[in-house]
Amino acid sequence: DTGVSQDPRHKITKRGQNVTFRCDPISEHNRLYWYRQTLGQGPEFLTYFQNEAQLEKSRLLSDRFSAERPKGSFSTLEIQRTEQGDSAMYLCASSFNRGEQFFGPGTRLTVL
Amino acid sequence: AQKITQTQPGMFVQEKEAVTLDCTYDTSDQSYGLFWYKQPSSGEMIFLIYQGSYDEQNATEGRYSLNFQKARKSANLVISASQLGDSAMYFCAMREETSYDKVIFGPGTSLSVIP
Repeated sequence: DTGVSQDPRHKITKRGQNVTFRCDPISEHNRLYWYRQTLGQGPEFLTYFQNEAQLEKSRLLSDRFSAERPKGSFSTLEIQRTEQGDSAMYLCASSFNRGEQFFGPGTRLTVL
Repeated sequence: AQKITQTQPGMFVQEKEAVTLDCTYDTSDQSYGLFWYKQPSSGEMIFLIYQGSYDEQNATEGRYSLNFQKARKSANLVISASQLGDSAMYFCAMREETSYDKVIFGPGTSLSVIP
């Protein structure tokens, strides 16, 4: 399978715990994006990388959120001290330069 | 202010009929791109069609076409010959050159195809 993959697909955690999600983009894609989608809404942009450089972060990305793409390949999104409001689908997408973005299946986070 | 507006929260269409999903956008950029994505109940986002702001022809991809009216800032998606598998959420999205190419999504339209 050469599509975008995300792990885990589902995560249930207790409030206050830290969680980390992983995204593996399509191998030749240099751009990687993170989005958050809540029920009944469109995806909201969180951040994006060109190779290993994080080029933009949304103001939605509070200081509890951090994303990395250390070698310009896979990326991780960490949420510290999770809150119930963090419950959402976290989507990763990749593209080659300004081409269309291909999305992964998402990680559904539930914070109890 | 909302960048992408989709005024139809839900739409119904008879199988084999055509349907138009509305999208208007707001930007002051001269260079931008417009996308439509489909999200079935399984959750994955599927790219459908792209229109660049400088493209003179309306984009088409199989049964999908984009009715691009630049002066009106609208980018409606037309699905011809609807199929039951077209039932899904449809999102209009925009990429602005001055916003480091991040993509902004609209709230979506839920399409239900009736047999």
